[in-house]
Amino acid sequence: AQSVTQLDSQVPVFEEAPVELRCNYSSSVSVYLFWYVQYPNQGLQLLLKYLSGSTLVKGINGFEAEFNKSQTSFHLRKPSVHISDTAEYFCAVSGAGNTGKLIFGQGTTLQVKP
Amino acid sequence: DTEVTQTPKHLVMGMTNKKSLKCEQHMGHRAMYWYKQKAKKPPELMFVYSYEKLSINESVPSRFSPECPNSSLLNLHLHALQPEDSALYLCASSQDQGNIQYFGAGTRLSVL
Repeated sequence: AQSVTQLDSQVPVFEEAPVELRCNYSSSVSVYLFWYVQYPNQGLQLLLKYLSGSTLVKGINGFEAEFNKSQTSFHLRKPSVHISDTAEYFCAVSGAGNTGKLIFGQGTTLQVKP
Repeated sequence: DTEVTQTPKHLVMGMTNKKSLKCEQHMGHRAMYWYKQKAKKPPELMFVYSYEKLSINESVPSRFSPECPNSSLLNLHLHALQPEDSALYLCASSQDQGNIQYFGAGTRLSVL
């Protein structure tokens, strides 16, 4: 079975500081990996995705993530955060067999303070 | 354009009411999804439609009835809901089942 663990439920950080949101997954097959962001009272927006190829993936809003197969990790990073980055961040892995089932982590709340 | 449109944005209903949620996309996607999201939790998959046919039903109670009238439209019919069904209902679509999913803004449902 596949699973996703987001290691921090809340990450407080000051504006303009760097941030890393951690995600580990388990799967016995090749996976696709995603980070989604959810702003208050909104739906999920795709930040970035890893399907294959380069392990460093760049997304929207200055975010990037690195796929590490040996450590089964897909950590999200941003070198300098803004107040507007305050949101819930979900790491997800696609289910085996191309079913379309997304397995989500429990989410990490990023709180950017002035 | 990766827009998935959901209506209404908010819905309040009693336990004896019948209501419907609507989801529309014009990206030519052939897979569409319904998710339920409780506060402070990740989305939970409810249904998947692929090429207008129900592909996955995650053992959802029959008071939730999905319908896919055409490739652009997905409905969720609600009947005799319980207060614990209050949640944010999200629709998503993808090129095909298993591809990248794009989400709508959701319908926030309150059952009184």
